Amino acid sequence: QKEVEQNSGPLSVPEGAIASLNCTYSDRGSQSFFWYRQYSGKSPELIMSIYSNGDKEDGRFTAQLNKASQYVSLLIRDSQPSDSATYLCASRRGITGGGNKLTFGTGTQLKVEL
Amino acid sequence: GEEVAQTPKHLVRGEGQKAKLYCAPIKGHSYVFWYQQVLKNEFKFLISFQNENVFDETGMPKERFSAKCLPNSPCSLEIQATKLEDSAVYFCASSQSGLARPGELFFGEGSRLTVL
Repeated sequence: QKEVEQNSGPLSVPEGAIASLNCTYSDRGSQSFFWYRQYSGKSPELIMSIYSNGDKEDGRFTAQLNKASQYVSLLIRDSQPSDSATYLCASRRGITGGGNKLTFGTGTQLKVEL
Repeated sequence: GEEVAQTPKHLVRGEGQKAKLYCAPIKGHSYVFWYQQVLKNEFKFLISFQNENVFDETGMPKERFSAKCLPNSPCSLEIQATKLEDSAVYFCASSQSGLARPGELFFGEGSRLTVL
């Protein structure tokens, strides 16, 4: 079992719809969670970080964390074609400090169709 | 600088040759991480540094891989005697040590290594 699991997709949504991306993790010591967006041939770009249970909103993005269920999700509202990319979920042990590695899932490919 | 700077962007080596990659973290960031991305999205952690000290090297294939972060120099990742399976994109990332936004990694553009 991988530490961080994501459905590889592709997930296709029409323009303007809500895209829902999901991630589960197996390490109960994970305390911090991150969503990255990676366009083909480019480097990962941080979208959101979330550290406590519940929802965290930033513009069109909402991250949701449920530590009891070991589940993280990312909602993208009003999806745009420019949102088409691979979305990587990552977990990390601990909250404070800067040195603990991130463990990445293999990503979900999102396609937003016109 | 304000970005993680990686060089070279592309590197081609024959099997058995040495490869060396460089990374300059964002100014003020204390932590540097190296990741290997193969097969599109498989991100493998290699090693991390806190300033010039190794923080976590659990992902490093010790036989052929080595890394350093020396004061006033870019960090480096060196692969001795490259093998075909070393072909990948090597990403460097840095993070700051403060309490604001802990653990957030900022990635460089990557160095694509092709071993022929």
